[in-house]
Amino acid sequence: AAGVIQSPRHLIKEKRETATLKCYPIPRHDTVYWYQQGPGQDPQFLISFYEKMQSDKGSIPDRFSAQQFSDYHSELNMSSLELGDSALYFCASSPGTDTYEQYFGPGTRLTVT
Amino acid sequence: AQTVTQSQPEMSVQEAETVTLSCTYDTSESDYYLFWYKQPPSRQMILVIRQEAYKQQNATENRFSVNFQKAAKSFSLKISDSQLGDAAMYFCAYRSMASSDTGNQFYFGTGTSLTVIP
Repeated sequence: AAGVIQSPRHLIKEKRETATLKCYPIPRHDTVYWYQQGPGQDPQFLISFYEKMQSDKGSIPDRFSAQQFSDYHSELNMSSLELGDSALYFCASSPGTDTYEQYFGPGTRLTVT
Repeated sequence: AQTVTQSQPEMSVQEAETVTLSCTYDTSESDYYLFWYKQPPSRQMILVIRQEAYKQQNATENRFSVNFQKAAKSFSLKISDSQLGDAAMYFCAYRSMASSDTGNQFYFGTGTSLTVIP
């Protein structure tokens, strides 16, 4: 069965650089969620999209922005990267906002040096 | 906001034995979902089991079962006949069933690292 795809899987950036993470949801899933998991921490919700519109916002820094495109894939844009942005970034998808389950992708490991 | 608490940062179990991981949560809502996710060294988040709050019957999935105590806001995970492949970080998660004010995101606990001893 198709799963959530995230690219790249690993990314190394320097401070003050920008990064773009991509998420391709499971086919026919129209809702995408982004989570950030710091080292030894639990995943923290960043932002979500439903039908290409932002549906909810969590602890996403102003330096980050995201959008969902017409094919339902989503991109998380991160600017002015800081050392503290080093984390595992998960994308999850679900078929609508009322379903209980979110299917997680493998994550993108971002390292900021 | 909802909070999820896992008071056991680390647990260990002998292979083939049973272990219970604890989770408590705080919410003013009556309808919600609870989940246990497993995160092995690969860091993939894998759904282990889910429970709807309106269901009184505890969910079971093969060797995994939960003890859901709604009044006590407790949601523990029992792993029977533990296997080496069960070694992972386990996260308890909460999701509101109401999609308006509180959103649809998951609220995670801080995780319990489970070691399985051969």
